[in-house]
Amino acid sequence: EAEVAQSPRYKITEKSQAVAFWCDPISGHATLYWYRQILGQGPELLVQFQDESVVDDSQLPKDRFSAERLKGVDSTLKIQPAELGDSAMYLCASSLVWREVRNEQFFGPGTRLTVL
Amino acid sequence: EDQVTQSPEALRLQEGESSSLNCSYTVSGLRGLFWYRQDPGKGPEFLFTLYSAGEEKEKERLKATLTKKESFLHITAPKPEDSATYLCAVQAGRYGGATNKLIFGTGTLLAVQP
Repeated sequence: EAEVAQSPRYKITEKSQAVAFWCDPISGHATLYWYRQILGQGPELLVQFQDESVVDDSQLPKDRFSAERLKGVDSTLKIQPAELGDSAMYLCASSLVWREVRNEQFFGPGTRLTVL
Repeated sequence: EDQVTQSPEALRLQEGESSSLNCSYTVSGLRGLFWYRQDPGKGPEFLFTLYSAGEEKEKERLKATLTKKESFLHITAPKPEDSATYLCAVQAGRYGGATNKLIFGTGTLLAVQP
């Protein structure tokens, strides 16, 4: 069964350091999402890509976060410098199409980030 | 402002004891309502999408329903393996809009005891 792949699964870093997360969406899925989930809360969208273009990054803290999907397939989310408040689960999701009625999003296993 | 509220926050059931989880929402144009299951330390697992009031979907012991203001996830004769956090999310705005953002509730933590 096709799945969204993410790595690493766990990351521990010290504040002010740089971290990067990688995501490989389900094959053929044109739309890719990065969400952040704080413990005890629901996921919140950080950025949405359609192929290699950013569609929505209104909630991405652009002073320290960046995301790219250069070839329209896999994607990298970077934080530099990391802050204590960035500790959370970072989830990647993908969906088959964008501007369609039915666009279920399928999530990967996530990367648990701990900033010390 | 688009908002999703889930209740109860936590629910403990005995095996075989049926119950319902609630998801109430206020959105500027509902494109879809989604239910996910999330196990500890894992990503959300897709369960259902509902698109219009009156729609119902079923999967094994789960049944999701939708009205104009809320959705229910009915769990019939639950088993311990149904224990998880159940997340509700809405997708708002007009079709063809710029974003597919899902707005999530905080979830209901379900524990089913044998």
